[in-house]
Amino acid sequence: NAGVMQNPRHLVRRRGQEARLRCSPMKGHSHVYWYRQLPEEGLKFMVYLQKENIIDESGMPKERFSAEFPKEGPSILRIQQVVRGDSAAYFCASSPGDTQYFGPGTRLTVL
Amino acid sequence: GIQVEQSPPDLILQEGANSTLRCNFSDSVNNLQWFHQNPWGQLINLFYIPSGTKQNGRLSATTVATERYSLLYISSSQTTDSGVYFCAVEAGTASKLTFGTGTRLQVTL
Repeated sequence: NAGVMQNPRHLVRRRGQEARLRCSPMKGHSHVYWYRQLPEEGLKFMVYLQKENIIDESGMPKERFSAEFPKEGPSILRIQQVVRGDSAAYFCASSPGDTQYFGPGTRLTVL
Repeated sequence: GIQVEQSPPDLILQEGANSTLRCNFSDSVNNLQWFHQNPWGQLINLFYIPSGTKQNGRLSATTVATERYSLLYISSSQTTDSGVYFCAVEAGTASKLTFGTGTRLQVTL
């Protein structure tokens, strides 16, 4: 059973560009979570999704950030008009309902 | 929201030594997980332990939910144990994990 997959692993964007981060959950998992880790800090919750529904987006910035988990395909975290402060590691986790399993993360660098 | 504190913040051990990491949380929890973030940044699941005691090789964990703390024991430490150890909890009706501040462990030869 393959683990949680994220791509790309590294992403470089210039200020003002868009970043799209993808997450494929483990087989059979219907819950997906996105977390952000700033340098030298712990992970902070951003959003929780189930298929086609956003359940909790209380940790997501109100502007420029959006997330989806369509019926088919991976979950996408989209950041529009990136700024230097968006540079961080973005982790996706999936769960069958209790334990959360984390992907390898996408390291976003904004120049 | 719930507060999660870990101690010590930093720990340096010689290979072969034992250690105990602590996680305190400020409210009742439904879920508690321990993770190891290795020097390459990958988060590795160690334990799902909302209560009780579990063991996996040289690692074991105990959560005393009524007293709102969890302990992670590392025995006979190895250099590959180096990294940051995070405790994370899920509280109330929220399904999200709240992470602690982490313990940075360095194991030397």
